[in-house]
Amino acid sequence: KNEVEQSPQNLTAQEGEFITINCSYSVGISALHWLQQHPGGGIVSLFMLSSGKKKHGRLIATINIQEKHSSLHITASHPRDSAVYICAVAKYGGSQGNLIFGKGTKLSVKP
Amino acid sequence: GAVVSQHPSRVICKSGTSVKIECRSLDFQATTMFWYRQFPKQSLMLMATSNEGSKATYEQGVEKDKFLINHASLTLSTLTVTSAHPEDSSFYICSARGPTSFLILETQYFGPGTRLLVL
Repeated sequence: KNEVEQSPQNLTAQEGEFITINCSYSVGISALHWLQQHPGGGIVSLFMLSSGKKKHGRLIATINIQEKHSSLHITASHPRDSAVYICAVAKYGGSQGNLIFGKGTKLSVKP
Repeated sequence: GAVVSQHPSRVICKSGTSVKIECRSLDFQATTMFWYRQFPKQSLMLMATSNEGSKATYEQGVEKDKFLINHASLTLSTLTVTSAHPEDSSFYICSARGPTSFLILETQYFGPGTRLLVL
């Protein structure tokens, strides 16, 4: 079993819909990252969090350390949000901040 | 925000040649840089951790003589794929981490990636 599991693997939504992507992990962590990978491959760091909730524009990330679970929400989704969203965790006590990556959730937002 | 660049963004080479990929932190000093590899439809996999002025630490299964890493300055790390073969074709991504403080947890800033195709 992977140490970081994301769901769903693929998600298709209509423009304007509220979207939730989930991430569960099985190890102790010092931080969790949400990343966005565009079709060309480039990666953008969206959030890094270790507790609670963060918001940036239409994006909201939450984490529940006790339940080892995080969610990424997109409000009022738009076709430009189409990308692969990756959850990655920094293992507690891991060497040099080595990240463990989930397999990603491919989001497609239709106009 | 912090910016990390990679060069080249795309490279095609013949089997047996060597390819150098550069990773630069543009507006901060990166004490640590990471090199990842991503095969199609797969997760990113850490290849090695590079600390400025010291030897890189390679993950299990990654050949250090094949993937040469040099982190000669606080803003530049290079990955050289030596004697590249078609199975080395992949997407190579670097990330950089600045000096940590007790206020800031692990923050990594990712480069845009380099797509390598070995013919």
